Amino acid sequence: AQSVTQLGSHVSVSEGALVLLRCNYSSSVPPYLFWYVQYPNQGLQLLLKYTSAATLVKGINGFEAEFKKSETSFHLTKPSAHMSDAAEYFCAVTFSGSARQLTFGSGTQLTVLP
Amino acid sequence: GAGVSQSPRYKVTKRGQDVALRCDPISGHVSLYWYRQALGQGPEFLTYFNYEAQQDKSGLPNDRFSAERPEGSISTLTIQRTEQRDSAMYRCASSLESGRTSGYTDTQYFGPGTRLTVL
Repeated sequence: AQSVTQLGSHVSVSEGALVLLRCNYSSSVPPYLFWYVQYPNQGLQLLLKYTSAATLVKGINGFEAEFKKSETSFHLTKPSAHMSDAAEYFCAVTFSGSARQLTFGSGTQLTVLP
Repeated sequence: GAGVSQSPRYKVTKRGQDVALRCDPISGHVSLYWYRQALGQGPEFLTYFNYEAQQDKSGLPNDRFSAERPEGSISTLTIQRTEQRDSAMYRCASSLESGRTSGYTDTQYFGPGTRLTVL
């Protein structure tokens, strides 16, 4: 069965510092991977997705993620954190042949300190 | 270009009552998904539709939960005889494609959710 593990339910960084949010997946077939962001009282918004093309994926708001098959990872990074990046981030996976629903990790709450 | 809308945004009900949660997807989107999100967790899949056909309901926890999308647009998730354990955020999402292989990479656009509290 496919699954997603997000290491660290809470991450704090200083404004301007590197953001690194970890995501590892488990799948017996090639996965499709997604990062979503959730702001308070809003729906989840797609940041970026890996669809088996380029392994380095660039998304909105300066975020990017790299698919590493050997490490079964899809970590989310941003070179310089901004106060507006404070939110909850979810990694999700699906794969061809599944019922197409997304399987989500438990989320990482990002706090940006001034 | 309105996004996915859900109503009500908040619902408080007493144990044993039935509730109906509504989802209005983005116009023209073929696929519609329902997820449930407990506090401190990621969303968990409940069911999904292509047009009016319910393609998968494997995530519905028991037969008190049902969903419909009779005209291939608006969907209703109904919970009968609510229990306290049903309290959660219920999220709806829609995507443009139908169930072809390429649809696995389609972006699912999420609504703001309905916060259900069962007393």
